[in-house]
Amino acid sequence: DAEITQSPRHKITETGRQVTLACHQTWNHNNMFWYRQDLGHGLRLIHYSYGVHDTNKGEVSDGYSVSRSNTEDLPLTLESAASSQTSVYFCASSPTSGLFNEQFFGPGTRLTVL
Amino acid sequence: AQKITQTQPGMFVQEKEAVTLDCTYDTSDQSYGLFWYKQPSSGEMIFLIYQGSYDEQNATEGRYSLNFQKARKSANLVISASQLGDSAMYFCAMREDAGGTSYGKLTFGQGTILTVHP
Repeated sequence: DAEITQSPRHKITETGRQVTLACHQTWNHNNMFWYRQDLGHGLRLIHYSYGVHDTNKGEVSDGYSVSRSNTEDLPLTLESAASSQTSVYFCASSPTSGLFNEQFFGPGTRLTVL
Repeated sequence: AQKITQTQPGMFVQEKEAVTLDCTYDTSDQSYGLFWYKQPSSGEMIFLIYQGSYDEQNATEGRYSLNFQKARKSANLVISASQLGDSAMYFCAMREDAGGTSYGKLTFGQGTILTVHP
């Protein structure tokens, strides 16, 4: 069965360190997204990609970067982790054909920055 | 810019009763999609129901229905015959659908925590 996975599921790091969160999907979807979830804010879009070598900034992109070298993966990098980036991170993917294209979510990564 | 508002931080319902979770949205787009997701305590995001802005009938999926009132820009989720397993966080979300092609980005509301009492 197709799926979307994230690793690690839990991560504790220190302020100033570079951190990369992995996202891998086997749906063969062109669209991939990174969101962060914080209390009182719901999910907010960090970065997104509509295909290989395409990346775009979302609502809360400062301090984050992504790259898309293949269809399956969209890693999220925190260049220099800050305590404000402690959050739960969700990766998601969706197809581009048709109007009704449910966005499939990964299980999430809980990141703590000390 | 798109905006989704969920004004109910928490809701309580008795088992087997119906409950309505409110969602209002703001957009200048003519073509858009509205979604509801459920997030149980385990943390995963579960898709519940979808409504397109041009759909004339309200969407239904089993015990879930979406009360879509386009002129009022509301997309309330109705859960009938509540079950204990419905206790979770519920998110309303909107997607822009410019030119009939989905771009996929979702804008989420703040969420509503639903608690079902036995």
